[in-house]
Amino acid sequence: GNSVTQMEGPVTLSEEAFLTINCTYTATGYPSLFWYVQYPGEGLQLLLKATKADDKGSNKGFEATYRKETTSFHLEKGSVQVSDSAVYFCALLGGYQKVTFGTGTKLQVIP
Amino acid sequence: EAGVAQSPRYKIIEKRQSVAFWCNPISGHATLYWYQQILGQGPKLLIQFQNNGVVDDSQLPKDRFSAERLKGVDSTLKIQPAKLEDSAVYLCASSPSRADGYTFGSGTRLTVV
Repeated sequence: GNSVTQMEGPVTLSEEAFLTINCTYTATGYPSLFWYVQYPGEGLQLLLKATKADDKGSNKGFEATYRKETTSFHLEKGSVQVSDSAVYFCALLGGYQKVTFGTGTKLQVIP
Repeated sequence: EAGVAQSPRYKIIEKRQSVAFWCNPISGHATLYWYQQILGQGPKLLIQFQNNGVVDDSQLPKDRFSAERLKGVDSTLKIQPAKLEDSAVYLCASSPSRADGYTFGSGTRLTVV
């Protein structure tokens, strides 16, 4: 079956540091890939998506590129802010609209 | 467009009691999901509906959990009887039929004491 593997957290960075959260996947066919963010006490929000190989999703300064050759969808941001502190989930949408989530990576940004 | 509506927002019950959650998806979204998110973990799919039919309920504890989506629109998830380990946030999400990702509701935080 499909699976998503994320780097374990928590990740602690200073404000304005560069962020990478690794995500790799296993899937049959051509899945769509997503990053969701969950701020403390809130529900999940779609952050960005990519629906085919070499697509780059971007939003709010975050980027991720769908790399089929390495089955990866790493999340990056050039300069994090305290307000980016949240839990980030990588997810895969496969056949029959079935979504598989990673376990989440908690990001803490300190001033 | 209006988002995914869920109610109640919070619920506290004693073990062995029953509880029901309600979800109204985004208009026109054919697929509806119920997820359970235990503190510190990723969401776990409980059940997936396509219109009013069940696509996947393999991880739904059917001895105590049930869900329905009458008329292919809103949905209810019920737990009867509840156990302490059912304490979690129950998230509803919906999506259109294409691969656009989906929209989550704010969730219902259930505490079983």
